[in-house]
Amino acid sequence: AQTVTQSQPEMSVQEAETVTLSCTYDTSESDYYLFWYKQPPSRQMILVIRQEAYKQQNATENRFSVNFQKAAKSFSLKISDSQLGDAAMYFCAYRSTNFGNEKLTFGTGTRLTIIP
Amino acid sequence: ETGVTQTPRHLVMGMTNKKSLKCEQHLGHNAMYWYKQSAKKPLELMFVYNFKEQTENNSVPSRFSPECPNSSHLFLHLHTLQPEDSALYLCASMLEASAGSGNTIYFGEGSWLTVV
Repeated sequence: AQTVTQSQPEMSVQEAETVTLSCTYDTSESDYYLFWYKQPPSRQMILVIRQEAYKQQNATENRFSVNFQKAAKSFSLKISDSQLGDAAMYFCAYRSTNFGNEKLTFGTGTRLTIIP
Repeated sequence: ETGVTQTPRHLVMGMTNKKSLKCEQHLGHNAMYWYKQSAKKPLELMFVYNFKEQTENNSVPSRFSPECPNSSHLFLHLHTLQPEDSALYLCASMLEASAGSGNTIYFGEGSWLTVV
């Protein structure tokens, strides 16, 4: 079974600065997907960014980018130019590529606070 | 607005009550999920439905009874719950187009359940 670990329960960053959230995972599969989801106070889980394991290039979405290290099974999220609206819980998630097993396995989350 | 709507948003029920949570998706997806989110724990997958058929029951107690009448609707029937069942229940959906399609799972805003 796959597991996802987020070792930082809480992080804070000054507005406009850069912050990196850590995530490690364990799997025996060679192909899979990794995701970062954001959960603001409204509680809706919003997809931030996704990475296909077969791609060596790190995914980027505007101010959000990942550092995907497949051998180390590490998948960190970097938020540049942090904004007040980035304050939320951030969850790292893993998903298999096996058909019929597309459920997400989540980490425990990191609460990100933005300091004005 | 992600196209996944959950009602009610908040529910308080006694341990002897019977109530239901409803999820509706307007995205044309064919896979639907129930997740449970408790404080300080990772999101727990409860049930998976593909094309109205249940494909996964993650050892969920029988006091939780899912129903999927069609690909757009998913219910979670609740009866004789315990206080420890108080949590945020998240519904999600995805288009399962093909094996390893990498499609994104979309979440609703959740239903806050309090069992008293």
